[in-house]
Amino acid sequence: DGGITQSPKYLFRKEGQNVTLSCEQNLNHDAMYWYRQDPGQGLRLIYYSQIVNDFQKGDIAEGYSVSREKKESFPLTVTSAQKNPTAFYLCASTEGGSDTQYFGPGTRLTVL
Amino acid sequence: GQQVMQIPQYQHVQEGEDFTTYCNSSTTLSNIQWYKQRPGGHPVFLIQLVKSGEVKKQKRLTFQFGEAKKNSSLHITATQTTDVGTYFCAGRSGTYKYIFGTGTRLKVLA
Repeated sequence: DGGITQSPKYLFRKEGQNVTLSCEQNLNHDAMYWYRQDPGQGLRLIYYSQIVNDFQKGDIAEGYSVSREKKESFPLTVTSAQKNPTAFYLCASTEGGSDTQYFGPGTRLTVL
Repeated sequence: GQQVMQIPQYQHVQEGEDFTTYCNSSTTLSNIQWYKQRPGGHPVFLIQLVKSGEVKKQKRLTFQFGEAKKNSSLHITATQTTDVGTYFCAGRSGTYKYIFGTGTRLKVLA
């Protein structure tokens, strides 16, 4: 099946620990995105990557880091510098020339 | 910066009633997409509008793009319990960056 996978679905971490969220796609899409969603709110862009080895900050990049070493993978690290990391994290991708975003199932991160 | 607002934030309707959500951008959009997110799920693409004044229909759903390409609406006729979820609009900001609306959460009472 083609699509985007995110793991794990639920993640618990202690305050002060860095944590890396996985995002893998087999759609052969060039562009990938990370969004944060808080309860009852919309999606806010954290980072995006147009192509391998290149990425740009979104609107709320502080306290997060990403890498794009492979076309199919775009992991997000939530660092201890992120003040309110508890949220639902969504990864998405788009095909070149299209604005349709395909989302993964999301990872719900809870920092205790 | 560019902002995309949606109203209402919440809407509760009786099954069979109609529902409309409105999306307003602070800047002109090249196109607009609509997504649906079921409770506990992830956003799923519904449709894209590109032309000024464009109207598209998907069964009971009607989508409109404003003449000035700064606003859009989604209308659902005769809602069903399967329509429950949050509806988001999204517009492109720059080449690869997208701005999502604040979303409208729809609850349908049987």
